Amino acid sequence: QKEVEQNSGPLSVPEGAIASLNCTYSDRGSQSFFWYRQYSGKSPELIMFIYSNGDKEDGRFTAQLNKASQYVSLLIRDSQPSDSATYLCAGNPNAGNMLTFGGGTRLMVKP
Amino acid sequence: DTGVSQNPRHKITKRGQNVTFRCDPISEHNRLYWYRQTLGQGPEFLTYFQNEAQLEKSRLLSDRFSAERPKGSFSTLEIQRTEQGDSAMYLCASSDQTGGYEQYFGPGTRLTVT
Repeated sequence: QKEVEQNSGPLSVPEGAIASLNCTYSDRGSQSFFWYRQYSGKSPELIMFIYSNGDKEDGRFTAQLNKASQYVSLLIRDSQPSDSATYLCAGNPNAGNMLTFGGGTRLMVKP
Repeated sequence: DTGVSQNPRHKITKRGQNVTFRCDPISEHNRLYWYRQTLGQGPEFLTYFQNEAQLEKSRLLSDRFSAERPKGSFSTLEIQRTEQGDSAMYLCASSDQTGGYEQYFGPGTRLTVT
């Protein structure tokens, strides 16, 4: 079992809709979780991080963390075609310095 | 604020040759990380430095791989006797110690071994 799991997608949503991206993790010692956006051929770009249970909002993005269920999600409101990318979820096993990434979910926002 | 930079951006080499990549972190960041990413996968951790000390190494980092950060600023990653399986994007990230573990990635070096 991979430490961080994501559905590879593609997840297709119409422009203006809410995109919901999900991630589960196996290491209960993980304290911090990160969402990165990666365009094809480019490097990952940090868009959100969350340390505490509950929701964290930043503009059109909301990250949700449920440590009891070992579940992290990212909601993108008012999705735009420019949001089309692969979204990577990462956690830090054993509350350490390294990040363990999921395989990413490809999001397609259709005009 | 200058981001993480990596050089070269692309490298094509023949099997058996040695290659070296350079990473310059964000100037005030004392932590530096190397990851490797292959097509369709998330980045995989290779190694981590705090200042000049290499504190963690992945089992992925075979004896052919070596990383240094001699003065706690830039870092180099060397791969000796390259193999076709080494073809990947090599990513460098940095973070500071005042916040959490937010890591910021450079543009990466794409290695192709022929």
